[in-house]
Amino acid sequence: GENVEQHPSTLSVQEGDSAVIKCTYSDSASNYFPWYKQELGKGPQLIIDIRSNVGEKKDQRIAVTLNKTAKHFSLHITETQPEDSAVYFCAASIFYGLGLSGGGADGLTFGKGTHLIIQP
Amino acid sequence: GAVVSQHPSWVICKSGTSVKIECRSLDFQATTMFWYRQFPKQSLMLMATSNEGSKATYEQGVEKDKFLINHASLTLSTLTVTSAHPEDSSFYICSAREYLGQETQYFGPGTRLLVL
Repeated sequence: GENVEQHPSTLSVQEGDSAVIKCTYSDSASNYFPWYKQELGKGPQLIIDIRSNVGEKKDQRIAVTLNKTAKHFSLHITETQPEDSAVYFCAASIFYGLGLSGGGADGLTFGKGTHLIIQP
Repeated sequence: GAVVSQHPSWVICKSGTSVKIECRSLDFQATTMFWYRQFPKQSLMLMATSNEGSKATYEQGVEKDKFLINHASLTLSTLTVTSAHPEDSSFYICSAREYLGQETQYFGPGTRLLVL
């Protein structure tokens, strides 16, 4: 099955600086890579995702890059703010798209998470 | 994005009792829902895939007789932890895909289970 490695486990940056979290995956069939932010006691919130046919995607201060050959993808947060402090998870899955059976997708395999701390 | 709710948000029960957790898609129909478990300071682990109108698919190592999943309608999946024991104490989170052609999973707020 899929195995997702995530680094670092803890990341502390000064407010206003950039933060980068990296993940690698093992299954070359994986084609969907979302990133989630989880605050204490809450469910994960999708912040950005990327599909295997795209190398980079950006949404305001957040960007994700994907290198299919190397099987790794990264989350970049620029101009960090105190409210960015949380645990971030990368994940990977296989999406089968629409087919005769109506399509389907595997469940997500998550990395172990990165505790991002924004120092004021 | 789509909204997924869970009920209850937390539950405390005695060892040996059964607990039912509900997962609802509030503004969309979900043919597929997923159930995850998260232990403190750990990652989310997929337990099972819940398919509307058919049997759930369980991940390796997850006991299907202990974690009963029912997906009776397009907006509701339930997870029943049968004969709960202290080691079942965890954060249980469900997710749902908005529609078949979409791979994005939206997560519920989670249910914290404490078994005494």
